[in-house]
Amino acid sequence: AQKVTQAQTEISVVEKEDVTLDCVYETRDTTYYLFWYKQPPSGELVFLIRRNSFDEQNEISGRYSWNFQKSTSSFNFTITASQVVDSAVYFCALSEAGFGNEKLTFGTGTRLTIIP
Amino acid sequence: DSGVTQTPKHLITATGQRVTLRCSPRSGDLSVYWYQQSLDQGLQFLIQYYNGEERAKGNILERFSAQQFPDLHSELNLSSLELGDSALYFCASSVGQGQTNNEQFFGPGTRLTVL
Repeated sequence: AQKVTQAQTEISVVEKEDVTLDCVYETRDTTYYLFWYKQPPSGELVFLIRRNSFDEQNEISGRYSWNFQKSTSSFNFTITASQVVDSAVYFCALSEAGFGNEKLTFGTGTRLTIIP
Repeated sequence: DSGVTQTPKHLITATGQRVTLRCSPRSGDLSVYWYQQSLDQGLQFLIQYYNGEERAKGNILERFSAQQFPDLHSELNLSSLELGDSALYFCASSVGQGQTNNEQFFGPGTRLTVL
């Protein structure tokens, strides 16, 4: 069975600080996909990134970066120079490969508050 | 805007009633997923349809059912509603083709309140 753990329930940082959100996953599959979604106060779920299990390169998109480490089953998300607009709940998710396995298994989310 | 639309945005009803939630996927997407977000259960997968056919089922109650129509829109039917069914219901869509799991784009959700 697949599982995603986001141990940090809530994080608060002062604006312009860097912050890292942790994500640890469990799966028996060798091929799988990892995702991050953002849920701002307005409630919608916004897709941020998708990564497959064969691509361990770190990714950077503006102030956002992701560190994927298969050895520790982690897919951590770092926001550099945080801004108030980054305040949201962030979800890490996993899906296993194969027909009918596309469903997302979500972690419990990390509520990030950026203090101005 | 993800391109996925859901109606209604809010729904308030009484226990024992039946409601229908509607979802239109992004143009070109063949897969539709339904998820439930509640305080105690978090975000849970309910069911997936691909091009009109059921493709995967999660922890969906027997009182709940869904379908995907030829125009690819989907409806989630919830019946004999209980207080515990109060939640945010999301629809998501993805291309759903090929060998890779494409990213899913979520609609704005329908907030269901059962009184």
